[in-house]
Amino acid sequence: NAGVMQNPRHLVRRRGQEARLRCSPMKGHSHVYWYRQLPEEGLKFMVYLQKENIIDESGMPKERFSAEFPKEGPSILRIQQVVRGDSAAYFCASSRRGTEQETQYFGPGTRLLVL
Amino acid sequence: KNEVEQSPQNLTAQEGEFITINCSYSVGISALHWLQQHPGGGIVSLFMLSSGKKKHGRLIATINIQEKHSSLHITASHPRDSAVYICAVRFNNDMRFGAGTRLTVKP
Repeated sequence: NAGVMQNPRHLVRRRGQEARLRCSPMKGHSHVYWYRQLPEEGLKFMVYLQKENIIDESGMPKERFSAEFPKEGPSILRIQQVVRGDSAAYFCASSRRGTEQETQYFGPGTRLLVL
Repeated sequence: KNEVEQSPQNLTAQEGEFITINCSYSVGISALHWLQQHPGGGIVSLFMLSSGKKKHGRLIATINIQEKHSSLHITASHPRDSAVYICAVRFNNDMRFGAGTRLTVKP
């Protein structure tokens, strides 16, 4: 049973380009969470999605960032017109039911570097 | 003030020592998680607690809901336990994370 998959593992972009980060949850999991870890900082919640729905995006920056989790395929975190401050590790996690008392399983992360 | 406070920030131990990492939180929560982040950056969920105590191998996690406090213990520590240990609390739909405790276990 494969765990949470994220790709790419490393992504380099120049300022102004777009970054697309993908997350495939564990089999049977329909809830996905995205977190960001800035250099030398702790993890911060960004967005919580269920298939075809954004449940909570209170942690997402208001501009340039968007997320989706379509009926088929992985969840995508999209960052438009990247800036140097977007350089960070982006982790996704998944859970089966999305209940509060449930373990979240983390992917290996995507390390984004903006030049 | 951060909603989730961990102590200590850094911890160095000799192999075989008993380790304790503490976590205090200030919000009402439904669950508390202990995570381990390896030097390579990957994150592993160790425990999810809503009350009492859980044990897995050499790791023990406890939580006191009334005091808003949790501890992670490692018995007979080993160099492979060297990692950053992160406390996280589930608060509505999102998770709030502590800054992490960097543990180094020397042989």
